[in-house]
Amino acid sequence: DQQVKQNSPSLSVQEGRISILNCDYTNSMFDYFLWYKKYPAEGPTFLISISSIKDKNEDGRFTVFLNKSAKHLSLHIVPSQPGDSAVYFCAASAFGNQFYFGTGTSLTVIP
Amino acid sequence: SQTIHQWPATLVQPVGSPLSLECTVEGTSNPNLYWYRQAAGRGLQLLFYSVGIGQISSEVPQNLSASRPQDRQFILSSKKLLLSDSGFYLCAWKSRTSDKTQYFGPGTRLLVL
Repeated sequence: DQQVKQNSPSLSVQEGRISILNCDYTNSMFDYFLWYKKYPAEGPTFLISISSIKDKNEDGRFTVFLNKSAKHLSLHIVPSQPGDSAVYFCAASAFGNQFYFGTGTSLTVIP
Repeated sequence: SQTIHQWPATLVQPVGSPLSLECTVEGTSNPNLYWYRQAAGRGLQLLFYSVGIGQISSEVPQNLSASRPQDRQFILSSKKLLLSDSGFYLCAWKSRTSDKTQYFGPGTRLLVL
């Protein structure tokens, strides 16, 4: 059973515009959420996280929003740059030991 | 600072051969350790995780096994590889204390022929 879902396998955005990547989850016990960026043949790189006690966390061009009632989180990248082109994974954990990952969204930023 | 190493980076093995992938973490003590697999075009599948030496939890029944002989060493093994074992194997670690974030190693690409 997929507890974390990324329903958009791919997304294309023009350089300078906003990229919005979405993620849905089913387990209400999740208390920590993360976004990772992954290039081919490399390990995922941690981008940004958010605790369930918050609804927004911002780090430079990256902002993560959490809507607990809808069990939905999103990653906003503004402005998008060609170097942002990668696969983005969302992940969630409950009590910190085990992490559940979505299937990823491939972002292409068009120059 | 903490670093995580995986080797080898790439491995080509025949069907039926054994496998041993190694992961080590530096700069931290008593971490949680994880093995994931990413099949071609797929997401990250958790295979095993460990909260301490000799303590292994298996998430997916298959012909792989894991061991943690030392605090910062995590090994993924197989006695006989299958074609379906091909994929990108990732080791990750997480602090048992403060930081709730999981950090990944560079990965090992395994091709079983």
